Amino acid sequence: AQSVTQPDIHITVSEGASLELRCNYSYGATPYLFWYVQSPGQGLQLLLKYFSGDTLVQGIKGFEAEFKRSQSSFNLRKPSVHWSDAAEYFCAVGAKAAGNKLTFGGGTRVLVKP
Amino acid sequence: EPEVTQTPSHQVTQMGQEVILRCVPISNHLYFYWYRQILGQKVEFLVSFYNNEISEKSEIFDDQFSVERPDGSNFTLKIRSTKLEDSAMYFCASSVGTGNHEQYFGPGTRLTVT
Repeated sequence: AQSVTQPDIHITVSEGASLELRCNYSYGATPYLFWYVQSPGQGLQLLLKYFSGDTLVQGIKGFEAEFKRSQSSFNLRKPSVHWSDAAEYFCAVGAKAAGNKLTFGGGTRVLVKP
Repeated sequence: EPEVTQTPSHQVTQMGQEVILRCVPISNHLYFYWYRQILGQKVEFLVSFYNNEISEKSEIFDDQFSVERPDGSNFTLKIRSTKLEDSAMYFCASSVGTGNHEQYFGPGTRLTVT
């Protein structure tokens, strides 16, 4: 069965500093991997996704993520955070089976200090 | 930009009552999903729906739950007899295809069972 672990429940970062959110997955084959962001009172918005090809993927809002098969990881990074990046971030793995379900990690809440 | 909408944003109901959560997926999407997030826990897959039938359901999705696409636009989740543990945020999502296709999420309905 597929699973996703986000080891960090909370991260506090200063505005302008870099950010890295960790994600480890378990899946039997090459996975589809996603990062979603959830701002308070909002739904889940896709930041980026990986399904094949270049292991470094670029997303919206200046985010990028790197797929490392050897480490079963898909960490999310941003070189310089803005106060508006304060939100909860979810890593998810997608199944290729007909149901197409997403399995989410527990989320990482990011707080941005001025 | 097209978006998934959900109504109501917050539903309070008494234990044992039936509730129907409503979703309007993006109009050209063919795959529909329900997820839930109990406060402080992971986003969990409930069910996926395609071509007017369930594609996959989780073990959470027992006989108390049902889904329906009653017309060309709405997608509903019904809980027949709510329990306290059904209190959660329920997210609807839709996608144009499976696999690497993004699932677009609605803002969620917060269900509170008293």
